[in-house]
Amino acid sequence: NAGVMQNPRHLVRRRGQEARLRCSPMKGHSHVYWYRQLPEEGLKFMVYLQKENIIDESGMPKERFSAEFPKEGPSILRIQQVVRGDSAAYFCASSPTRGGSYNEQFFGPGTRLTVL
Amino acid sequence: AQSVTQLGSHVSVSEGALVLLRCNYSSSVPPYLFWYVQYPNQGLQLLLKYTSAATLVKGINGFEAEFKKSETSFHLTKPSAHMSDAAEYFCAVSESVGNEKLTFGTGTRLTIIP
Repeated sequence: NAGVMQNPRHLVRRRGQEARLRCSPMKGHSHVYWYRQLPEEGLKFMVYLQKENIIDESGMPKERFSAEFPKEGPSILRIQQVVRGDSAAYFCASSPTRGGSYNEQFFGPGTRLTVL
Repeated sequence: AQSVTQLGSHVSVSEGALVLLRCNYSSSVPPYLFWYVQYPNQGLQLLLKYTSAATLVKGINGFEAEFKKSETSFHLTKPSAHMSDAAEYFCAVSESVGNEKLTFGTGTRLTIIP
């Protein structure tokens, strides 16, 4: 059973370009979480999605950032008009659905975004 | 609102010595608590978790942690450090079933002295 997959692993963009980060959850997992890790800091929650639904986007910046998890295909974190402050590692985690019990998250290897 | 404080952003111990990484949490409800390890340029690997069962939790690689409600702590320990333990360690808390988003501490970088 393959783990959580993220691609690309490294992404370089110039200021003003768009960045698209992809996350394929573990087989059988229908919940996806995105986290951002700024240099020398811990991870910060961004958004929680289920298939075709955004459940909690309380950690998403109000502008330029969006996320989706379509019925088919990977989850996408999209950053429009990137700025240098967006340079960070972006981690995706997935979890299964087990009603009534805690659903552990499994993390992908991350995408390291560098904005020039 | 939940929060996590990790005391000591850098900890150095000698090989074979006790490892103690501190974590205190704040939560309005009984929490779920986790320790993750991150090796350079890699993702996070779960070391251990507390989900309201036994208060002393054993994890992988010889690590364990004890949940102390009275002290709101969940410190990570290992009796004898190994060179391969050098990494960044994150404590995290989650409050609810159904939306298990994690709140992380700022991390502790563990260095092992030969």
